[in-house]
Amino acid sequence: QKEVEQDPGPLSVPEGAIVSLNCTYSNSAFQYFMWYRQYSRKGPELLMYTYSSGNKEDGRFTAQVDKSSKYISLFIRDSQPSDSATYLCAMTSFLIQGAQKLVFGQGTRLTINP
Amino acid sequence: DTEVTQTPKHLVMGMTNKKSLKCEQHMGHRAMYWYKQKAKKPPELMFVYSYEKLSINESVPSRFSPECPNSSLLNLHLHALQPEDSALYLCASSFRQGPNEKLFFGSGTQLSVL
Repeated sequence: QKEVEQDPGPLSVPEGAIVSLNCTYSNSAFQYFMWYRQYSRKGPELLMYTYSSGNKEDGRFTAQVDKSSKYISLFIRDSQPSDSATYLCAMTSFLIQGAQKLVFGQGTRLTINP
Repeated sequence: DTEVTQTPKHLVMGMTNKKSLKCEQHMGHRAMYWYKQKAKKPPELMFVYSYEKLSINESVPSRFSPECPNSSLLNLHLHALQPEDSALYLCASSFRQGPNEKLFFGSGTQLSVL
């Protein structure tokens, strides 16, 4: 069983729809949770970062963490064609000498259709 | 400014060549990372430098040799690579903000080994 499970999609929705992206994890030691957006042939871009259960909102994006269920979500409201990308969840449990080791989900490929 | 700069953006090399990938950040980050990403897969951690010392080596073959000349620079020296080493090579850096630590990626070097 992988430590982090993420549905690879692809997911295709019409412009303006609410998008829900999800990851589950098995390691209860994970403390920090991230969502990255990656456009084709580019590096991942940090979208959301949280370390507590509950919701965190930033513009059209809301990150949700439920540590009791080991489940995290990213919601995108009023989706735009420019949101079309691969979305990677990532999480980490420890620091080694000041550095962290991320565990990534497989990534969900999202397309927003005009 | 949350910029991690990688050069070159694209690289084609033969199996007998020696080349280097370069990464630079001026955010005062003290941890720097090399990741390898194959198409439609999440990034895989290769090396971590923390305070200019190698702190994590994920059992990477010796044909990949990292170097951290100073706190702003990270190199990856390549020698006698195989075609299966073709991938997007990503540099990242991180800093601490209290209990938080956010990882920022560069745009990557797309490497093709012939």
